Amino acid sequence: AQSVAQPEDQVNVAEGNPLTVKCTYSVSGNPYLFWYVQYPNRGLQFLLKYITGDNLVKGSYGFEAEFNKSQTSFHLKKPSALVSDSALYFCAVRAPGTGRRALTFGSGTRLQVQP
Amino acid sequence: DAEITQSPRHKITETGRQVTLACHQTWNHNNMFWYRQDLGHGLRLIHYSYGVQDTNKGEVSDGYSVSRSNTEDLPLTLESAASSQTSVYFCASSDPGQAEAFFGQGTRLTVV
Repeated sequence: AQSVAQPEDQVNVAEGNPLTVKCTYSVSGNPYLFWYVQYPNRGLQFLLKYITGDNLVKGSYGFEAEFNKSQTSFHLKKPSALVSDSALYFCAVRAPGTGRRALTFGSGTRLQVQP
Repeated sequence: DAEITQSPRHKITETGRQVTLACHQTWNHNNMFWYRQDLGHGLRLIHYSYGVQDTNKGEVSDGYSVSRSNTEDLPLTLESAASSQTSVYFCASSDPGQAEAFFGQGTRLTVV
């Protein structure tokens, strides 16, 4: 079975400071990993993904994520937070190949950026 | 632009009634999924489909059903609505050639 853990319900950071939202995963084989963002009363928007290759992946709105296979982690990062980054962030995983194609999500982390 | 739309956006229904939530995508994606979102649980998979006439149960499928008669639509039916099914429901789709899924705007369902 595949699973995702987001250990922090909420992360608070001051505008202009770097931010990190943590994610660890469990899956058989090499993982496909994703980050999504959800703004109030909206659907989930895709931010970035790791499939293979460079461990540091860049995505939308200046976000990036670092894949660490030995620690089974895929933390989301941004060098300088904006107030507009305040939202709910979800990490997700799926197994490779064409078997199970549904994503398994973590419980979400609320990011609050203070001005 | 291609998109995925859900209707209705909000629904209030009574316990015991049958309810159907619609999901329509114009990307021509083979894979479609239904999730429910509850506080503290993130998104949990209800049902999914990999193509026409294909349906599969997810982790929280009890009390729900889906049918896939064409590529564009995957309606979700609550056979007899229960208060425990009060939630926000999201439909998503993906193409076999890409890993990420794209989500609709969600349906907020309240069962009273």
